[in-house]
Amino acid sequence: EIVMTQSPLSLPVTPGEPASISCRSSQSLLNRNGYNYLHWYLQKPGQSPQLLIYFASNRASGVPDRFSGSGSGTDFTLRISGLEVEDVGVYYCMQALQSPLTFGGGTKVEIK
Amino acid sequence: EVQLVESGGGLVKPGGSLRLSCAASGFSFTNAWMSWVRQAPGKGLEWIGLIKSRGDGGTTDYAAPVKGRFAISRDDSKNTLYLQINGLKIEDTAVYYCGDPHGRSPYWGQGTLVTVSS
Repeated sequence: EIVMTQSPLSLPVTPGEPASISCRSSQSLLNRNGYNYLHWYLQKPGQSPQLLIYFASNRASGVPDRFSGSGSGTDFTLRISGLEVEDVGVYYCMQALQSPLTFGGGTKVEIK
Repeated sequence: EVQLVESGGGLVKPGGSLRLSCAASGFSFTNAWMSWVRQAPGKGLEWIGLIKSRGDGGTTDYAAPVKGRFAISRDDSKNTLYLQINGLKIEDTAVYYCGDPHGRSPYWGQGTLVTVSS
């Protein structure tokens, strides 16, 4: 099983300031088709997880460009260039390369 | 626009059964490897299992905790995914989501709540 490790667990951020979340996998997520099977989601309070970034670095439709994803292999990062109040919630990374699909434990982003 | 609409959840007694449905649109459902995940109250996301496309064999794979009790199926003519849950346990209480995490549109639906209680 591929283990996904997110850090930090909690991230207080002042609005307008940047934020960064790390996600590490116990095995490479790079498929032979050239894609890293790593997705990022934001779950706002009381809502379902919403897709932010797919295949490590592709912003989903309608996602503001302050969100960006980078990384390859086993190390990935989600960056928010300037936090807005509406960005609070729990962020999850997920690997879809191999069964069982696994999620990181989540990073709770809150307003400082 | 990708749409995934789960339904079929509810309150069930331990040992009972339920069939959840997921109506999909806005992407090529026929070619998708579809998954179910769940989220227990206050907990993180847990993958339950997947079903491959018919073109890739249509086989299923399950997480160890649900193997033997959960069964995933699909009806490509209706663009609908199913999750049959038997022998429900208290710990199966969760919101259940469907999605296509292997494709270019790895969205999850809004979920359907399953509550197991006597």
